[in-house]
Amino acid sequence: GAVVSQHPSRVICKSGTSVKIECRSLDFQATTMFWYRQFPKQSLMLMATSNEGSKATYEQGVEKDKFLINHASLTLSTLTVTSAHPEDSSFYICSAITGLAGSGANVLTFGAGSRLTVL
Amino acid sequence: AQKITQTQPGMFVQEKEAVTLDCTYDTSDQSYGLFWYKQPSSGEMIFLIYQGSYDEQNATEGRYSLNFQKARKSANLVISASQLGDSAMYFCAMERGTGGGNKLTFGTGTQLKVEL
Repeated sequence: GAVVSQHPSRVICKSGTSVKIECRSLDFQATTMFWYRQFPKQSLMLMATSNEGSKATYEQGVEKDKFLINHASLTLSTLTVTSAHPEDSSFYICSAITGLAGSGANVLTFGAGSRLTVL
Repeated sequence: AQKITQTQPGMFVQEKEAVTLDCTYDTSDQSYGLFWYKQPSSGEMIFLIYQGSYDEQNATEGRYSLNFQKARKSANLVISASQLGDSAMYFCAMERGTGGGNKLTFGTGTQLKVEL
């Protein structure tokens, strides 16, 4: 089946530095990917829609200059947390649209997530 | 705006028993999709089952079935013959809007623990 690979799975950084998280579709092309954020014991909140070859679409309240998204190829989207602060510590998880066999409906396949800790 | 409500923060079930996880939703859209995902402690989100708003039959996928009651706006997940490996967080989600491009709105989740 379709696999979405996310790297790194865990990252610890100092306050003020930038961190890049990669999301790859391994055996399919993904023109659209989604980035979600999840606080401990909470639900997933959509941050932005990453579109190959064009600018990302950010959800209301998400700072586009803080969370830079680049989707330069059909298999790779990156999320860069710039000038990270402790409040940016969270679980970031990407996803891509894959087909659902049988019903024909699209379903999201998620990466394994990246846990960011900002000291 | 769409809203997903999961009123059970935690559930316990004995191994081999069936369990129902509740999900209600609110939307003004006529066409929408409902999903259930499982999130083990490792963090990845695993797709379980999908129900389209126009599907007349309840969706089933192995031990998972979705009890879809459109008039009540509920989409409960039923897990039959629970296994220890079913212990995880379960999220109900709705596809946002018609042709929403798979932007999902998630509920707050239910933590399921399967006991011996």
